[in-house]
Amino acid sequence: SQTIHQWPATLVQPVGSPLSLECTVEGTSNPNLYWYRQAAGRGLQLLFYSVGIGQISSEVPQNLSASRPQDRQFILSSKKLLLSDSGFYLCAWIRQSSYEQYFGPGTRLTVT
Amino acid sequence: KQEVTQIPAALSVPEGENLVLNCSFTDSAIYNLQWFRQDPGKGLTSLLLIQSSQREQTSGRLNASLDKSSGRSTLYIAASQPGDSATYLCAVLTGGGNKLTFGTGTQLKVEL
Repeated sequence: SQTIHQWPATLVQPVGSPLSLECTVEGTSNPNLYWYRQAAGRGLQLLFYSVGIGQISSEVPQNLSASRPQDRQFILSSKKLLLSDSGFYLCAWIRQSSYEQYFGPGTRLTVT
Repeated sequence: KQEVTQIPAALSVPEGENLVLNCSFTDSAIYNLQWFRQDPGKGLTSLLLIQSSQREQTSGRLNASLDKSSGRSTLYIAASQPGDSATYLCAVLTGGGNKLTFGTGTQLKVEL
């Protein structure tokens, strides 16, 4: 069966500090991977998606970036965090046979 | 641009009641529609997936319908229980089969 992991689960970082969030998927190969952000009182916003190693598409302009160094690893990064980067970050993968999307447990980021 | 709306934003019902959550979308050219459940501070759990060629899907006490031409879906929950309390999100897949657009959710509370 497939499993998706995210870490850390929670993170408190000062403004201007760097960020690295990691997502890994087990039990599938060459998945499409996604990063979403859920800000307080707002819906889920798609940030990045990747259809393969080194292939990243950005949905919104921001100070975040994403990388996919391995088939089942997706990383969200920032060089300098802003207060507005606070939120709940969710990683997801999609089953190609049905296009059903599955989500990880999420990372709660608080920028102070 | 696809827009997804969920009504009501919040709902409180007594245990045992049958209820209906509504989801509407503006672009009927979708691949599928997915209903999710989100508990506070947690990731999203997939409940039901309806392909664009299907009219409904059932899982236990849950039944989801899709009317693609009118841009509407409903999630029917039978005999609600306190454990059903959560936020319910619908999302449609469009744009080459890669991206989900989410509604803002319905926050459900089932009271004893």
